[in-house]
Amino acid sequence: KAGVTQTPRYLIKTRGQQVTLSCSPISGHRSVSWYQQTPGQGLQFLFEYFSETQRNKGNFPGRFSGRQFSNSRSEMNVSTLELGDSALYLCASSLEGGPTGELFFGEGSRLTVL
Amino acid sequence: SQQGEEDPQALSIQEGENATMNCSYKTSINNLQWYRQNSGRGLVHLILIRSNEREKHSGRLRVTLDTSKKSSSLLITASRAADTASYFCAIRTSGSRLTFGEGTQLTVNP
Repeated sequence: KAGVTQTPRYLIKTRGQQVTLSCSPISGHRSVSWYQQTPGQGLQFLFEYFSETQRNKGNFPGRFSGRQFSNSRSEMNVSTLELGDSALYLCASSLEGGPTGELFFGEGSRLTVL
Repeated sequence: SQQGEEDPQALSIQEGENATMNCSYKTSINNLQWYRQNSGRGLVHLILIRSNEREKHSGRLRVTLDTSKKSSSLLITASRAADTASYFCAIRTSGSRLTFGEGTQLTVNP
């Protein structure tokens, strides 16, 4: 069974640009969560999607958005990039989400903003 | 903050020794999970312990949970150089969001 796939793995952008990251969950998993990881802030929760609906949202500005498609694949978008957005963006999937499950993580997309 | 806080932040031991990492949190939890992350990679789930459980084992891993003290510990026995990684505790509250701590960087010297 294939794991969680994130693309692209690495990307470099400049301030003011926008970026879209993609995540394909494990087959059959319906919940997708996104996290931002930086050395200073650790792992910060961005949002969770379940059956194409945003079920949970972290404390990030509106520049950060996401969506989930009918096949459970998810994308997140960051507009008007700032230097502080440089981070490892991690996607994780789980079977149903909710309070009981474990998360399966992808390898992440490393974003550098210049 | 609801997130778990790991202690110590960094731990360096020799191969064959045991490694103990601690996690404290401030809120009621549904379960607590431990994850491992090799440098620059994704996180890998190690073990989940529910709020009504006190101890759990998986191979060389032993996790304890004390809900009265709001703390958990992860013990890795007979450590190996390949155990070198960052270890994170994560708490799951009834609101379903999984919140991670800052992590413990474990270095196992051959």
